Amino acid sequence: EPEVTQTPSHQVTQMGQEVILRCVPISNHLYFYWYRQILGQKVEFLVSFYNNEISEKSEIFDDQFSVERPDGSNFTLKIRSTKLEDSAMYFCASSGQVTNTEAFFGQGTRLTVV
Amino acid sequence: AQSVTQPDIHITVSEGASLELRCNYSYGATPYLFWYVQSPGQGLQLLLKYFSGDTLVQGIKGFEAEFKRSQSSFNLRKPSVHWSDAAEYFCAVGARQAGTALIFGKGTTLSVSS
Repeated sequence: EPEVTQTPSHQVTQMGQEVILRCVPISNHLYFYWYRQILGQKVEFLVSFYNNEISEKSEIFDDQFSVERPDGSNFTLKIRSTKLEDSAMYFCASSGQVTNTEAFFGQGTRLTVV
Repeated sequence: AQSVTQPDIHITVSEGASLELRCNYSYGATPYLFWYVQSPGQGLQLLLKYFSGDTLVQGIKGFEAEFKRSQSSFNLRKPSVHWSDAAEYFCAVGARQAGTALIFGKGTTLSVSS
């Protein structure tokens, strides 16, 4: 069964450093998403991406964040200068059809900022 | 405001007993509704979804959910819980149009006692 894969599974970084989280969405999907889940809290939407541009973003997704689809398979989330409060589980998701939001999620990358 | 409320933070059920997890939503458009399950250290797995049609939907692992528009609810049920069902369960709502955010509830942690 096709799945969304994320790498790495766990990343530790120092405050102020840049991190790139990587995702390989399901191959024929058109929409890509990043969500995050701070420990013990609910899953929150960050951004959605379609046709090589952002289609929607939340207020969490400020100038520190960026997304990119550098090639035909990868989808990345970059955090320019990490803060302690960026520590969270980051989930990538993808969906295939225009007319529904059924999203398939990856296993997540746990980001720890120290 | 768009929101999902899961009133029960933590539920403990005996193995073999029935289960109902509550979910209420507030959403301006026609809602697409989802239940996801997250086992410890794992990603989000889609249990079931409701888009339209029959208001009782069947999912994986023996779960079902019933959409009640008049009550703005989408409660998850299982007739007989297994120890492996212990996990966190998230209700989510989204729009018909892909690329839009899923809004998640805060989750309900299910513990199963023997």
